[in-house]
Amino acid sequence: QQQVKQSPQSLIVQKGGISIINCAYENTAFDYFPWYQQFPGKGPALLIAIRPDVSEKKEGRFTISFNKSAKQFSLHIMDSQPGDSATYFCAASNNNAGNMLTFGGGTRLMVKP
Amino acid sequence: EPEVTQTPSHQVTQMGQEVILRCVPISNHLYFYWYRQILGQKVEFLVSFYNNEISEKSEIFDDQFSVERPDGSNFTLKIRSTKLEDSAMYFCASSERDWDGTQYFGPGTRLLVL
Repeated sequence: QQQVKQSPQSLIVQKGGISIINCAYENTAFDYFPWYQQFPGKGPALLIAIRPDVSEKKEGRFTISFNKSAKQFSLHIMDSQPGDSATYFCAASNNNAGNMLTFGGGTRLMVKP
Repeated sequence: EPEVTQTPSHQVTQMGQEVILRCVPISNHLYFYWYRQILGQKVEFLVSFYNNEISEKSEIFDDQFSVERPDGSNFTLKIRSTKLEDSAMYFCASSERDWDGTQYFGPGTRLLVL
């Protein structure tokens, strides 16, 4: 019930295209859903996050869409750039359970020039 | 911009040896975490720490692991008797508040147990 399932495992997108990564969760107690970006040899860096009281959040080229009834959320990267090539992790946490982050399996994104 | 720092960046040790991984969280943060990432796998929660106490711990965080905040700035993870399967990247994270969930990660320590 603690799992967060992420797809696809890898994604290749042309420069300027839209990258879409999906996550699904089971635990309805989760109340915080961040996305992290990780470059090789570096720690995860917070990209954008959403709470379940809104269905969408946009920051620049990055948008989270959240579907509470389906227990799914997704990351959209508009106008994808080669510099976006990284591994992306979705995560979820419960404020009443220590805020430990449960991570998805990760998506390796490659944006081709 | 404030950031979480970790030392060492790499650590090689023999099986059965003790290792201490060090972290300096962001200065005004009160909540501290350790995660690990086995090569090619997802990031896994180990332990959270607040007010000099463990808040939560995962099943991975068994008796061979311990955490400590020895002074006002450092946060350490000790592995008492390392095993081959402890080889992983260990990340420290910190957050200012518990209610907003935002955690900032350090660059990690790559631990290799031979």
